[in-house]
Amino acid sequence: EDQVTQSPEALRLQEGESSSLNCSYTVSGLRGLFWYRQDPGKGPEFLFTLYSAGEEKEKERLKATLTKKESFLHITAPKPEDSATYLCAVQDAMSGNQFYFGTGTSLTVIP
Amino acid sequence: NAGVTQTPKFRVLKTGQSMTLLCAQDMNHEYMYWYRQDPGMGLRLIHYSVGEGTTAKGEVPDGYNVSRLKKQNFLLGLESAAPSQTSVYFCASSYELAGVRTPSQFFGPGTRLTVL
Repeated sequence: EDQVTQSPEALRLQEGESSSLNCSYTVSGLRGLFWYRQDPGKGPEFLFTLYSAGEEKEKERLKATLTKKESFLHITAPKPEDSATYLCAVQDAMSGNQFYFGTGTSLTVIP
Repeated sequence: NAGVTQTPKFRVLKTGQSMTLLCAQDMNHEYMYWYRQDPGMGLRLIHYSVGEGTTAKGEVPDGYNVSRLKKQNFLLGLESAAPSQTSVYFCASSYELAGVRTPSQFFGPGTRLTVL
């Protein structure tokens, strides 16, 4: 059973068109939920960590929120340079604090 | 700071050959990880280490071995490479705050491995 599911798999937005990416998780011992950005041919780049339901974090045009079942990455007025794959991961205290990653959402922002 | 570095960046092996991937970090992090990334599968944990001299199995450890003889280095070995091990390999490191929270993982640039 997948511990982390991301949707949609791919998203195309016009520049300035706001939207949200979803990350749902099923681990029972959530230690933290992480969002990363990955550009083609590069390693994931850290964006946010959320630890408990109700927590929110913001960085420029990005805002991450967390509930007991899922997290959202809200993108406000995106620009073409926001195009990338966004990865979600959870750290599970019930399995030796291992990290489980979703398959990502590929975002394309069209000028 | 260089952060997390990986060598080599690219490698092509023949089935049955062996090789070692090197990961180095200069942030004095206790925790280090090896992942593989395959299309449609996401990042999957191979092995990890919670400190110098320690290693543990992750989600997909078969066919790989690791060693952490120095705190700053984490080596991933393939003893007899198979085509199923064709993948992009990422190393990461992290630390804990007060033994409870992991603020983030820092990733290296990756090694693209092809096994023919």
